[in-house]
This record gives sequence, C-alpha cells and structure tokens, in this order.
Amino acid sequence: SQTIHQWPATLVQPVGSPLSLECTVEGTSNPNLYWYRQAAGRGLQLLFYSVGIGQISSEVPQNLSASRPQDRQFILSSKKLLLSDSGFYLCAWSMKGVGRNEQFFGPGTRLTVL
Amino acid sequence: DQQVKQNSPSLSVQEGRISILNCDYTNSMFDYFLWYKKYPAEGPTFLISISSIKDKNEDGRFTVFLNKSAKHLSLHIVPSQPGDSAVYFCAASAWVNKFYFGSGTKLNVKP
Repeated sequence: SQTIHQWPATLVQPVGSPLSLECTVEGTSNPNLYWYRQAAGRGLQLLFYSVGIGQISSEVPQNLSASRPQDRQFILSSKKLLLSDSGFYLCAWSMKGVGRNEQFFGPGTRLTVL
Repeated sequence: DQQVKQNSPSLSVQEGRISILNCDYTNSMFDYFLWYKKYPAEGPTFLISISSIKDKNEDGRFTVFLNKSAKHLSLHIVPSQPGDSAVYFCAASAWVNKFYFGSGTKLNVKP
C-alpha cells in the first residue's frame, strides 16, 4: 500500500531563517506531487505541483520554492522565512493515468514563524 | 481570486439529521469535483467525487449533487453521526490532475 511521510510535524522558526520541509511517498512510482498551505482560517492553497523529477509548477508568487530531486521526494524550501509563511503545510500525491485521480495527503507540518 | 468557494464556515446539525454542505465554483472549465474530510492536525482524506457528466453520486451515507448550470455542488450526509464532525473541503479541477480547494466548512454533529 502507498504511504506518504512528512517531517517535521511541527516547526518554530525565527523570521529570516531558512526552511526545508521534506515529503516522501512509498509504494508507488512516478506520482504527481503537490505542496499546499492552509493559513489560519483559510482553505487549502496550492503552492507547487510536480509531474516528474525536476519539473515544478509554481501556482502563486511567494517566498517559497520547491524541488523534486528524486521520483518520490518533494522538498519545500525558503531562504528567508517571513511571518506570513506561518501555516499548516501539506504534501499530497496522486496517480497518473486517464482521467482524474484523487489526492492523498500527508499528515502535515505546522510551521510557526516568530 | 478564489475559484472554489464555501461560503458557510461552519454548520451545526443534530445527530441523525441531514447535513448539507455547499460549494460554488466560478471556472466553467472545471469538470471533476471532490469532497475531502479533515480532522485537526491531520491531512485531508478523500470522501467522494463526481464527474461533470453526472449530477449525482452516492456512497453510503454520503451523496454529492452537481448543478452545472448553477456552478454549485453539495454534499449530503444522512444520517449525520458525531464522528462526522470535521472540516469538509470541496475541490475542483479542469483537464489535469490539479485541484483547487475551497476554504472549508466546519461541521459539528451534536449527539
């Protein structure tokens, strides 16, 4: 069966510090991968979308970047965190294929920028 | 500009009654819709989906209705149970496997 891991579960970082959140998927190959953010009182905002290694689509201009160094690894980064980067970050994956497939979400990372 | 909207941030329902969660969208190219359920500090879990070629999809206590002309979908839960208390997100996509989510509705089912 497929599983998706995210770490860390919680993170408190000072403004201006760097960020690296990691997401890995097991039990599948060549998945689509996604990073979402849920800010306080807001819905899920799609940040990045990847269909393969090295292929990243950015959905919104922001202080963050994403990379996919391996097929089942997706990394969310920032060189200098802002207060507005606080939120609940979710990684998700979906299968490729004909038609649309639902996304499976990881447990999330709660990031607080102070 | 948000393309998928859930205008009710919260809903409270008595156990055993029907819960109706609503979702509106603006992009007429959306042709696939999903509902997710989310508990605090966890990732959302998939609940039910519907393609635009249908106007209804049922799975046990959960039914999703799609009104394309109104660009509106709804999730019905009958009968509602306390364990259904969670935040429900609707999501939509057009052509590719990329989804846009609403802001969520927090459902509270009272025993």
